[in-house]
Amino acid sequence: NAGVMQNPRHLVRRRGQEARLRCSPMKGHSHVYWYRQLPEEGLKFMVYLQKENIIDESGMPKERFSAEFPKEGPSILRIQQVVRGDSAAYFCASSPGPKSTDTQYFGPGTRLTVL
Amino acid sequence: GQSLEQPSEVTAVEGAIVQINCTYQTSGFYGLSWYQQHDGGAPTFLSYNALDGLEETGRFSSFLSRSDSYGYLLLQELQMKDSASYFCALGGATNKLIFGTGTLLAVQP
Repeated sequence: NAGVMQNPRHLVRRRGQEARLRCSPMKGHSHVYWYRQLPEEGLKFMVYLQKENIIDESGMPKERFSAEFPKEGPSILRIQQVVRGDSAAYFCASSPGPKSTDTQYFGPGTRLTVL
Repeated sequence: GQSLEQPSEVTAVEGAIVQINCTYQTSGFYGLSWYQQHDGGAPTFLSYNALDGLEETGRFSSFLSRSDSYGYLLLQELQMKDSASYFCALGGATNKLIFGTGTLLAVQP
C-alpha cells in the first residue's frame, strides 16, 4: 500500500510566478490536510479537505493561497504570485477519517524556494 | 488560541532513557500526539494519548495529564537512529493538528 505521495519534491519559482503542489493520499483515505514548515520551526496547519469539500481553512492566508481536492485526482495547493516569504516545506497528510483517533500519515513534502 | 512549548534541544547517550516534555495552553482538545521527523523529512506518527495516563508502544511511551496541561514522550534504550526532531501536537474537532515548537534530540555514542 503506497504511502502519501507529493510532487514535485522540490520546486523553484521566481517572485510573481505560480506554484502548484500536488498530494495523493494513501489508498482508502479521503481526508487531506496541508501543513507548512519554515526552517527550524514546527508545522503549521493550513487547510483540511475532504473530497470536493473544504472543511477547515482557518490556517490559510487570506490571499494568493487556495486548495482543492477534486472527485478524481490529487489534492492541489496553489500559491499565486509567490513571494520570498512563501519559501518553506509544504507537507500534506491523509487520514482514513475525521476523528482525533484517525492517525494522519504524512508525505515527504514539497520544498518550495522562491528566488 | 492554542500553543505548545517544548525544550529546543536534548542530548543523551546511546542506551539511555530520555524524556521530552510538552506543556500546552488550550481551551479544549481531543488528544495529544507525538511525531518524529528526521532531517526535515516526512513526520512519522509515534504515539497518541486521548486519556490521562501512559501509553506504551515498544521503546516509546507517551504520557498525558490534562489537569497539569502537560505531556511527555519517553524514549528507552536510545539508539543513534533516534536522533531526530520530536513534535507534540494537539488534535481538535476537525482533527487538524496544532504542533509544538519541536525538540531536537541528539544521541551520542
